Amino acid sequence: AQRVTQPEKLLSVFKGAPVELKCNYSYSGSPELFWYVQYSRQRLQLLLRHISRESIKGFTADLNKGETSFHLKKPFAQEEDSAMYYCALATGGGSEKLVFGKGTKLTVNP
Amino acid sequence: DVKVTQSSRYLVKRTGEKVFLECVQDMDHENMFWYRQDPGLGLRLIYFSYDVKMKEKGDIPEGYSVSREKKERFSLILESASTNQTSMYLCASSSHLGAPANYGYTFGSGTRLTVV
Repeated sequence: AQRVTQPEKLLSVFKGAPVELKCNYSYSGSPELFWYVQYSRQRLQLLLRHISRESIKGFTADLNKGETSFHLKKPFAQEEDSAMYYCALATGGGSEKLVFGKGTKLTVNP
Repeated sequence: DVKVTQSSRYLVKRTGEKVFLECVQDMDHENMFWYRQDPGLGLRLIYFSYDVKMKEKGDIPEGYSVSREKKERFSLILESASTNQTSMYLCASSSHLGAPANYGYTFGSGTRLTVV
């Protein structure tokens, strides 16, 4: 079964510190992974996709198939990064569904 | 810019009522989804649809049904609302073309339903 695990419900860092939000997945095929973000009182929105290998708002994420991980990283956290972050897995093969993790609430303290 | 509009931001309904949640998208997307979002549980898929009049059950379909009579509209129906259906409901859409890998989902702003 496809599963996404985000082991931390809450993560708190200080402004300027590095931040890493962990995501592990379980899927036997070729995964497609995403990070979504939800800022306070805003709709859930796509942050980045592993296939595009992009950096958005200073965040990056690398797919590690050996460790089945897709951790989200930023070298210097900002207060505006405080939000709820969800890792999501698409199982491909024509499947249009996304399986979401339970989310990590990131708080960046001044 | 894709827009997914959910008709109500807040709803309060009584136990046993039939509840309709409406979602409309304006970008001709084939796929539409209903999730519920609960603290500590993340997003759980209720139902989804790949085409008009087509529907498939997600992970938690019990107590819900859906309707997709037009491509742009996907309705979630709570046949007889119960207190354990109090939640935030999110609608999303995506295009068939390489989705969700290339484009991901576009979400609505959500409907917070309280069943009393």
